[in-house]
Amino acid sequence: DAGITQSPRHKVTETGTPVTLRCHQTENHRYMYWYRQDPGHGLRLIHYSYGVKDTDKGEVSDGYSVSRSKTEDFLLTLESATSSQTSVYFCAIGGTPNEQFFGPGTRLTVL
Amino acid sequence: KNEVEQSPQNLTAQEGEFITINCSYSVGISALHWLQQHPGGGIVSLFMLSSGKKKHGRLIATINIQEKHSSLHITASHPRDSAVYICVLNTDKLIFGTGTRLQVFP
Repeated sequence: DAGITQSPRHKVTETGTPVTLRCHQTENHRYMYWYRQDPGHGLRLIHYSYGVKDTDKGEVSDGYSVSRSKTEDFLLTLESATSSQTSVYFCAIGGTPNEQFFGPGTRLTVL
Repeated sequence: KNEVEQSPQNLTAQEGEFITINCSYSVGISALHWLQQHPGGGIVSLFMLSSGKKKHGRLIATINIQEKHSSLHITASHPRDSAVYICVLNTDKLIFGTGTRLQVFP
């Protein structure tokens, strides 16, 4: 996991504010993913990217947008944060769809 | 019905015990992963397997494709094995189990 970082690691924000989480990799992997992890649920895919400017929705994409303007960065944006988006967010990277290496996670609290 | 189910949800053990965590699934898969999530939150991939058995140190993972079942075994468990173990299915997407929380006491 030395090749993947997330920022910030912790954030507390208020309902209605925009929030951007950053995932940065130094592995030059093609695939990048954003997941959220909540009690009682497995990791759930929000969005993923299969290349620069190539992104697609996951199973829980409502309320989230992403951008990937360069290989190393994948941004997750909550345009107007809601309390239901309080979660731990994990970024993952992979050279193929079958392999994923996870970042350290970002704990987001929306008050 | 969930596509993937892990059992048990929670497991406690004494140091040195043999541990088994189970994963049953109901869909066709190309492979199955076992992940380990440490108390601090970091997630590490332990195994990816599509048949048979794999071994890494004290960890052994098996899969039976016909029975749609995989097991993760830990021999001579240690407190540092305390973590959440997550089974992940490889289909046309990744399907994550909810995890088994293991606590190993000295």
